[in-house]
Amino acid sequence: AQTVTQSQPEMSVQEAETVTLSCTYDTSENNYYLFWYKQPPSRQMILVIRQEAYKQQNATENRFSVNFQKAAKSFSLKISDSQLGDTAMYFCAQTGANSKLTFGKGITLSVRP
Amino acid sequence: EPEVTQTPSHQVTQMGQEVILRCVPISNHLYFYWYRQILGQKVEFLVSFYNNEISEKSEIFDDQFSVERPDGSNFTLKIRSTKLEDSAMYFCATGQGASGELFFGEGSRLTVL
Repeated sequence: AQTVTQSQPEMSVQEAETVTLSCTYDTSENNYYLFWYKQPPSRQMILVIRQEAYKQQNATENRFSVNFQKAAKSFSLKISDSQLGDTAMYFCAQTGANSKLTFGKGITLSVRP
Repeated sequence: EPEVTQTPSHQVTQMGQEVILRCVPISNHLYFYWYRQILGQKVEFLVSFYNNEISEKSEIFDDQFSVERPDGSNFTLKIRSTKLEDSAMYFCATGQGASGELFFGEGSRLTVL
């Protein structure tokens, strides 16, 4: 079975600063993908970034990057130069061979002006 | 950019009534999913659908729930006799498979009174 753990329920960051959101996971599969999804107040699920487990290089998408530690089963999201529009719920998620997504509980991020 | 479309965006119904939520997937996607998010809680997997049949379902997906793809385009979730605890946001997601990215619709908010 797959599990995804986000132990921080909420975080706050000053605009323009950097924040890191933590996530750990567990799986018995060799091939899997990891994702961070953003859910703004509109409640739409928006893909922020994805990481393929077989790739050692950390994924980067503009101001968003991950620190993927496969041995430790850790997948944190770093948001640089935080913007007010980054305020949202962030979910860490994982897929296995059947593409089913397993989500963590999410973390509420507030960006302060 | 292709997108997953869900209707209705919001439905209010009386307890015991039947509800059908509809999803139009991205045209070349083969894997279809329904997820549920009760307000303030994590996103939960309900069911996955591939090759015109259910490939996996969760404990939540009991006999009150059903899915089908009747005309090759719409992917529907039916709740036969709604309960108060069915009030949630229901997300349709589709993908090409092979542990790749899932694309989410904007969700259908169901309120059961």
